[in-house]
Amino acid sequence: AQSVAQPEDQVNVAEGNPLTVKCTYSVSGNPYLFWYVQYPNRGLQFLLKYITGDNLVKGSYGFEAEFNKSQTSFHLKKPSALVSDSALYFCAVRDAGNTGKLIFGQGTTLQVKP
Amino acid sequence: DGGITQSPKYLFRKEGQNVTLSCEQNLNHDAMYWYRQDPGQGLRLIYYSQIVNDFQKGDIAEGYSVSREKKESFPLTVTSAQKNPTAFYLCASSQDLATYEQYFGPGTRLTVT
Repeated sequence: AQSVAQPEDQVNVAEGNPLTVKCTYSVSGNPYLFWYVQYPNRGLQFLLKYITGDNLVKGSYGFEAEFNKSQTSFHLKKPSALVSDSALYFCAVRDAGNTGKLIFGQGTTLQVKP
Repeated sequence: DGGITQSPKYLFRKEGQNVTLSCEQNLNHDAMYWYRQDPGQGLRLIYYSQIVNDFQKGDIAEGYSVSREKKESFPLTVTSAQKNPTAFYLCASSQDLATYEQYFGPGTRLTVT
């Protein structure tokens, strides 16, 4: 069965420091991976995706993610965190069947302190 | 939140009542989805629809029903058979099932007492 794991419920980082939010996955076949961000009481906003090609994917708001096939990971990164980056982050993998369904991790709360 | 609207933002109902959540999109997307979000559990798929007049059950369809009479609309009914209906409900759409990104609406928070 396909799954996504976000091992950290919360990540704390000081403003200006680099941040990493971790994600590992388990899929059959090639993984299609996504990161979304959610602010309180709002819908999810798409940040970036990996389908194929370069292992380093750049997305919105200065975020990037590194696809590592051998470690089955897709960690989200940003070189310099902002207080406004504080939010709930979800990693997702597209289901292998023909449903278009996304399988989400449990989410990681990012807290950036001034 | 793009071109997807959900209404209302907050909804309160008494136990035993059916309630319908609205989802409308003006993105001309073929595929639409309903997810349920509970704290600490990520999002779980309730129903999805690839085209008008067609929809499929997701992972947690029991106690829910949908319709897709128009391309832009995909309402979700939470029935009295749903044992734990209090949750945050998110609607999403994508160009088609093969297109990878889904775009989400702002969500409806349903509270049943």
